[in-house]
Amino acid sequence: QKEVEQDPGPLSVPEGAIVSLNCTYSNSAFQYFMWYRQYSRKGPELLMYTYSSGNKEDGRFTAQVDKSSKYISLFIRDSQPSDSATYLCAISGGYQKVTFGTGTKLQVIP
Amino acid sequence: NAGVMQNPRHLVRRRGQEARLRCSPMKGHSHVYWYRQLPEEGLKFMVYLQKENIIDESGMPKERFSAEFPKEGPSILRIQQVVRGDSAAYFCASSPSTQSNTGELFFGEGSRLTVL
Repeated sequence: QKEVEQDPGPLSVPEGAIVSLNCTYSNSAFQYFMWYRQYSRKGPELLMYTYSSGNKEDGRFTAQVDKSSKYISLFIRDSQPSDSATYLCAISGGYQKVTFGTGTKLQVIP
Repeated sequence: NAGVMQNPRHLVRRRGQEARLRCSPMKGHSHVYWYRQLPEEGLKFMVYLQKENIIDESGMPKERFSAEFPKEGPSILRIQQVVRGDSAAYFCASSPSTQSNTGELFFGEGSRLTVL
């Protein structure tokens, strides 16, 4: 069983849609949950980080963690063409080895 | 403040040759991580280094791959006797310390290795 499972996508949505991206993880010892965004031919960049269960909001982005079901989500409201990228969920156990999901490629169509 | 610098951005090698990838972390960062990215497979952890020390190399293949982060100069990921399966994007990331164990990594643009 992989440590992190992520919906493979690709996902194509019209501009303005709400996007939901999801991951599950297997090890309850993981404490830190992140979403990275990676544009084509670029390095990943940290988008959202959260520690506890619940929601964390940053502009149009909301990260949600449910530790009881080992499920993490990223919601993008009012999606824009500039949001087209690959989104990687990531988890960490408290020392900085970070484990990534395979990524979901998102395309927002104008 | 320059970000994580990787070079070369693109590298072409023939089977059996050596590949050396270099990474300079962000200013003030003392921890370096190397990841490999293959299509459809996401980022795979390879090695975590601090200055002059390998902290975790659990993701490194047992043969042909080595990494170092000397007291002076960049971190280097070395692949000896490359094979076609080594073709991938290799990303370096850095972080300031382990005190903030949040997993926030700052990535470079990657080095894309093609083995002919």
